[in-house]
Amino acid sequence: DSGVTQTPKHLITATGQRVTLRCSPRSGDLSVYWYQQSLDQGLQFLIQYYNGEERAKGNILERFSAQQFPDLHSELNLSSLELGDSALYFCASSVVAASTTGELFFGEGSRLTVL
Amino acid sequence: GENVEQHPSTLSVQEGDSAVIKCTYSDSASNYFPWYKQELGKRPQLIIDIRSNVGEKKDQRIAVTLNKTAKHFSLHITETQPEDSAVYFCAASKGTYKYIFGTGTRLKVLA
Repeated sequence: DSGVTQTPKHLITATGQRVTLRCSPRSGDLSVYWYQQSLDQGLQFLIQYYNGEERAKGNILERFSAQQFPDLHSELNLSSLELGDSALYFCASSVVAASTTGELFFGEGSRLTVL
Repeated sequence: GENVEQHPSTLSVQEGDSAVIKCTYSDSASNYFPWYKQELGKRPQLIIDIRSNVGEKKDQRIAVTLNKTAKHFSLHITETQPEDSAVYFCAASKGTYKYIFGTGTRLKVLA
């Protein structure tokens, strides 16, 4: 158990719909990262938050948005869903301060299926 | 922008042989290079990492080497075992800014 909690574990929805994925980082971790992993694909970086502020952005579509709340949990919102959005969405957290590097701890992922 | 290339995409080795996976990064400011292992249906987990001030690091059967000049780093697994079969991802990061992952290598260890 990494200590990172993601909900829901599985989600099936239809095209055009909107979903919200939730992530609770490990206790004390300030950084939250979101990644998308399509079938047999790599880990595509979407966005990173640090202590409530957006820190870095990757190839995140305009239909997607995220935020990190004061209690440090994060939500990834996916709207106007398309078939190609079907993927495993991972949240990861890190304990590091702003000037250091370290391990990412991944949640179990949220598997999104768009029909 | 930042990019991490990883080769090969698939690798099959006989049990007991060695496996080598190579990565190249584009951002010369990158200073942290972790390797993650992802077993089927599971989350990625860190297996070894190296920082830019170190050229090589070893942990039992696993070693990582870094060539900053060439912007290459490699994962070496010796005496491979069936439980080493998984997808391996390299990554590069600059401070705490966005970890960029390579495309992954599916390693199959044949008994």
